[in-house]
Amino acid sequence: NAGVTQTPKFQVLKTGQSMTLQCAQDMNHEYMSWYRQDPGMGLRLIHYSVGAGITDQGEVPNGYNVSRSTTEDFPLRLLSAAPSQTSVYFCASSLSSGDNQPQHFGDGTRLSIL
Amino acid sequence: GDSVTQMEGPVTLSEEAFLTINCTYTATGYPSLFWYVQYPGEGLQLLLKATKADDKGSNKGFEATYRKETTSFHLEKGSVQVSDSAVYFCALSDRGGGADGLTFGKGTHLIIQP
Repeated sequence: NAGVTQTPKFQVLKTGQSMTLQCAQDMNHEYMSWYRQDPGMGLRLIHYSVGAGITDQGEVPNGYNVSRSTTEDFPLRLLSAAPSQTSVYFCASSLSSGDNQPQHFGDGTRLSIL
Repeated sequence: GDSVTQMEGPVTLSEEAFLTINCTYTATGYPSLFWYVQYPGEGLQLLLKATKADDKGSNKGFEATYRKETTSFHLEKGSVQVSDSAVYFCALSDRGGGADGLTFGKGTHLIIQP
């Protein structure tokens, strides 16, 4: 059972570079989301999607873009990396957007911006 | 807006001790409540959940009861093991209140000593 798969696991970028963090799920989940985890801050929602073709902003969307062309994939794009974006990024999915649906998390991407 | 407050730790206990991790929340709607656990180097895993007042979630010896009157969802375990060492996150989902995604506490680092 693959679940939620994130690639890469680690990445180092220079300020100003762009990159895409990949996220794929094989559970036919409608709802997918991206969080960042910073020390002492818990996890904060960046962007989310309630289905293919539909995305919306979360709590901390600035500097990030997303798209959802298929049910399975939900990539996160950093347009011009900044040191403040150094973080651990988690992708999550759930069957639907209902409140009682638990979210399934990937293992994370550890990103450092120099 | 919605918020979750939990003790941050680290919390250090001896094996077989009783565990309580406090969690209180603020929400505009009627949220579902969750506890997630994160082992070193891994993503978050759902530990237990409760979707309405007075519900008790339980899993792997852990329990938490949804207390609407005190807006709390404290995590308890009667006898902890070294393998329970991890970071525990309390979270709520309140899309009915207009929020999106999960709102997390900052996490409690639990260390169990043999």
